[in-house]
Amino acid sequence: NAGVMQNPRHLVRRRGQEARLRCSPMKGHSHVYWYRQLPEEGLKFMVYLQKENIIDESGMPKERFSAEFPKEGPSILRIQQVVRGDSAAYFCASSLTGTVIGNTEAFFGQGTRLTVV
Amino acid sequence: DQQVKQNSPSLSVQEGRISILNCDYTNSMFDYFLWYKKYPAEGPTFLISISSIKDKNEDGRFTVFLNKSAKHLSLHIVPSQPGDSAVYFCAASATGTASKLTFGTGTRLQVTL
Repeated sequence: NAGVMQNPRHLVRRRGQEARLRCSPMKGHSHVYWYRQLPEEGLKFMVYLQKENIIDESGMPKERFSAEFPKEGPSILRIQQVVRGDSAAYFCASSLTGTVIGNTEAFFGQGTRLTVV
Repeated sequence: DQQVKQNSPSLSVQEGRISILNCDYTNSMFDYFLWYKKYPAEGPTFLISISSIKDKNEDGRFTVFLNKSAKHLSLHIVPSQPGDSAVYFCAASATGTASKLTFGTGTRLQVTL
């Protein structure tokens, strides 16, 4: 029973390049969330997706960031033209339903640590 | 605007003693609260939660207390064990936005021998 799988675990990009972060939810989960943790800060919500739909992207920066969760395959968080300030740990979580309360708490992956040089 | 605050960045407790981690929130719309535990280089792991209709929830060595009037919650770990050493995050959600968690900045707990 594999948990939430994120890859790569570590990603180094030069300024201006693109970063693609992948997340495979737990088996049977169709709700995916992306969070970002900047150094010395808590996790900040970015986006909530269901298969083929973006449900809530209120935490996504307006430019350069996009997310998708296709019918087949993992969810992808894409950052175009990365800057040093994008350096952070990006965590993906999945849940059985669209709520993270009660017995349907979100399960987190191990994160992708993005370093922009 | 930090809606969930954990004012103690770190806490050191002796093995066997009680660890008390505190969390304050400002958004009165929050009605569900969770604690997550995080080891270095790993993702957060759900620990325990509490709904705003309760003031206490217990699970083994872990108890969460909620004081709605003070907008304060605390996590008690007793007895503390060395394996409890980790960063603990308090998180909150509001009905209608239950898919979105607002996290505090975390408290690093070290349990010493």
